[in-house]
Formats: sequence, structure tokens, C-alpha cells
Amino acid sequence: GAVVSQHPSWVICKSGTSVKIECRSLDFQATTMFWYRQFPKQSLMLMATSNEGSKATYEQGVEKDKFLINHASLTLSTLTVTSAHPEDSSFYICSARGLHTDTQYFGPGTRLTVL
Amino acid sequence: GENVEQHPSTLSVQEGDSAVIKCTYSDSASNYFPWYKQELGKRPQLIIDIRSNVGEKKDQRIAVTLNKTAKHFSLHITETQPEDSAVYFCAATLNNAGNMLTFGGGTRLMVKP
Repeated sequence: GAVVSQHPSWVICKSGTSVKIECRSLDFQATTMFWYRQFPKQSLMLMATSNEGSKATYEQGVEKDKFLINHASLTLSTLTVTSAHPEDSSFYICSARGLHTDTQYFGPGTRLTVL
Repeated sequence: GENVEQHPSTLSVQEGDSAVIKCTYSDSASNYFPWYKQELGKRPQLIIDIRSNVGEKKDQRIAVTLNKTAKHFSLHITETQPEDSAVYFCAATLNNAGNMLTFGGGTRLMVKP
């Protein structure tokens, strides 16, 4: 149980385009989903927290207009990187947490490369 | 907010030896401390966790200890195997903070056969 999927697993795009990443909880209802960014050989940096049906809460320094997060259902959250630039190239990982539990389960990550 | 420090950043051990990774946290109200293992290019996998009402927890070759007074917790891996080689992250969270995890900087463990 507690499986989280992410799509796509990798994407290469041109500078200026937008990229959407999906995060799904496959066998449980995720009341809260988290989006992280991880640069090579570094730790996971929380970008935002999203609760189903609410606006996402962004961490300091993360532009909400650039990283659009939607959590429209209890099993799906999306992250859209708008007008992507090479410095946005990174490994983006989501995690999901169900109600009445502390445990976060991570998706497999999406490697974004912006040319 | 919470700040989690993790040491060492790299750790090399011989197969069969034990490995210990230590973390400290700043917020005494934190009450949940998971440990994740991440292999290269893959997702972090929860390997063990501990809550603040417990001082120690063990699962086969893996154990975690928590010292609330000193605000530090440690991961212990015994009888290490090459497949234990990975990056390990500790984390801490507050129940009332939306359960957002604050991660340590990670420890790259290398187990030499």
C-alpha cells in the first residue's frame, strides 16, 4: 500500500515553455501533498505544501506564479513550471500524506531538463 | 522554523561493520522523526521512523535512537551490506505544521565489499 506515482519521469523542454508534472496517490487518499526540488548531491528542499481544495502554501523564495500547484482531488496534485529556464532544471519529487498519519510517501521524481 | 543538521555528510565503512548517522534538530516541539534512504535517481524510501514518546526503535539491522533532551536522534545500521550504499536523510516534523518535513543535508553511505 501507500504508492505514489509521478508523471512524467523525465522531460526535456525548451526555455520559455511550461511543463506540467502530475503526482498521484494510487491506493490512498492524500489530504496533503508536498512538492520538493532536489539538486544534484543535495537534500530535498520543500517548495510548497498543498491541501486538497485549498491554495498551496509556498516556502520562502519560491515564486508561486512560476510554480503553479493544483490539488483538485484527494489523489492528484499537479505542479506546472511556467516559462521554464535552464536554472529550473532539477529533480522534482512529490510526496503524499493521508489523514491521521505522519508518514509521507514519495513519488519516483521527475527529472526536468530545460535547454 | 525547524532546522535539522546531519552528520557526517559522507561515511565509508567495510562490509559487516556498523554505520551511525546523527542528526540534531532545533525545535523541541518536533515529535516525529523519519529516516529515508535514497538510491541514485530514485525516490526516498522510508526505512524507519520514531515518535517523541519512544526512545528507541529497531527493525532488523536498523535502529533509531532519540534523545529529546539533547534534541538529537541517530540511525544505526549493523552488519552493513553493499546494498546499504545510498544517501540517507533524516527529517523532523511538528504535528501542527501541516506535517511538513524538514530534512537534514543527507549522508552518503558507501559500504565496501
